[in-house]
Amino acid sequence: AQSVTQLGSHVSVSEGALVLLRCNYSSSVPPYLFWYVQYPNQGLQLLLKYTTGATLVKGINGFEAEFKKSETSFHLTKPSAHMSDAAEYFCAVTPNQGGKLIFGQGTELSVKP
Amino acid sequence: NAGVTQTPKFRILKIGQSMTLQCTQDMNHNYMYWYRQDPGMGLKLIYYSVGAGITDKGEVPNGYNVSRSTTEDFPLRLELAAPSQTSVYFCASRTVGTDPEQYFGPGTRLTVT
Repeated sequence: AQSVTQLGSHVSVSEGALVLLRCNYSSSVPPYLFWYVQYPNQGLQLLLKYTTGATLVKGINGFEAEFKKSETSFHLTKPSAHMSDAAEYFCAVTPNQGGKLIFGQGTELSVKP
Repeated sequence: NAGVTQTPKFRILKIGQSMTLQCTQDMNHNYMYWYRQDPGMGLKLIYYSVGAGITDKGEVPNGYNVSRSTTEDFPLRLELAAPSQTSVYFCASRTVGTDPEQYFGPGTRLTVT
């Protein structure tokens, strides 16, 4: 069965600092991987996704993630945090095109001025 | 396109009452999903549908029912509401094909007291 683990339920960074949110997955087949962002009192918005091809994926708002099959990881990074990045971030996996999404428990990102 | 819409935005129910959460999408998506989000738990799949007339259980279906009479609508029914059903409920949809991205509605915040 697939599962997703996000290391750290809360991450705090200073404005301008590197953002690193960790995601590890387990899957018996090559998965599709996603990062979603949820701003307060809003729905989920797709940041980026990996399906096939290039393992470094660029998303919206300057975020990117790298699929590392050998490490079963899909960590999310942004070189310089902005106050507007404060939100909850969810990593998710699905084993194939028709599969259901399995979500991690979420990481709340705080950005300090 | 409005995308995925959900009504109501907020609702307070008394124990034992019933209600229907509405979800509509205007993207002609075949797949639709209902999730619940609890703090620190990520999103859990309640029910999903791969097309009109076809529904199936997800990870946490107990206490809920769904129907899918049209492509656009996927209502979620709560019978005999319980405090354990206090949560934020999200509806999502996706197309059939190679793009596995799910599009989320804004959510319904339900409190059962």
